[in-house]
Amino acid sequence: GESVGLHLPTLSVQEGDNSIINCAYSNSASDYFIWYKQESGKGPQFIIDIRSNMDKRQGQRVTVLLNKTVKHLSLQIAATQPGDSAVYFCAENMGSGNTGKLIFGQGTTLQVKP
Amino acid sequence: DVKVTQSSRYLVKRTGEKVFLECVQDMDHENMFWYRQDPGLGLRLIYFSYDVKMKEKGDIPEGYSVSREKKERFSLILESASTNQTSMYLCASSLIRQGQAFFGQGTRLTVV
Repeated sequence: GESVGLHLPTLSVQEGDNSIINCAYSNSASDYFIWYKQESGKGPQFIIDIRSNMDKRQGQRVTVLLNKTVKHLSLQIAATQPGDSAVYFCAENMGSGNTGKLIFGQGTTLQVKP
Repeated sequence: DVKVTQSSRYLVKRTGEKVFLECVQDMDHENMFWYRQDPGLGLRLIYFSYDVKMKEKGDIPEGYSVSREKKERFSLILESASTNQTSMYLCASSLIRQGQAFFGQGTRLTVV
């Protein structure tokens, strides 16, 4: 079946550095992508999303880049803080109209060193 | 704030029992989802529903069924629980397909 995968299971960065978390997706028909953050003991929380008609979207300290040519998605976190330590998931939505599957990757654990 | 509530945080059930996991959302969302989360495997979609009484299989529906009799409630049913269904179960809802999904806190189910 289709899969959404992250390149690295764990990423360790120094506090204050920028973080880049990568994700490869395989379904070229997917037209909506989301990044989620999951802290220990909690459900995933929305960070930022992007539609396939865009290649970049910025939020507060976060930027998502979408490269449809190579089916690659990345999440950039500026000035990484200890509170950013969590598991990060990318998800793709494939469907039509108002319904469709939301499929997740395996997740990357971000560790922020003080 | 959108709220997705799962009925239990922790459940322990015996092999062969019929298990019901309940999920309620309070924002009139059309789409609801059930996932299971296991270490190293991420979130895997079991079933989703896009309207009352409508459902579609996800990637791992075997051993599970769902019910959506009311818009706000989406139930996951383990017909005969087995030890390999020990997992964290997450429910989510979204208003539209191209819209963020909101998650509940999860139910950690242990089947003994």
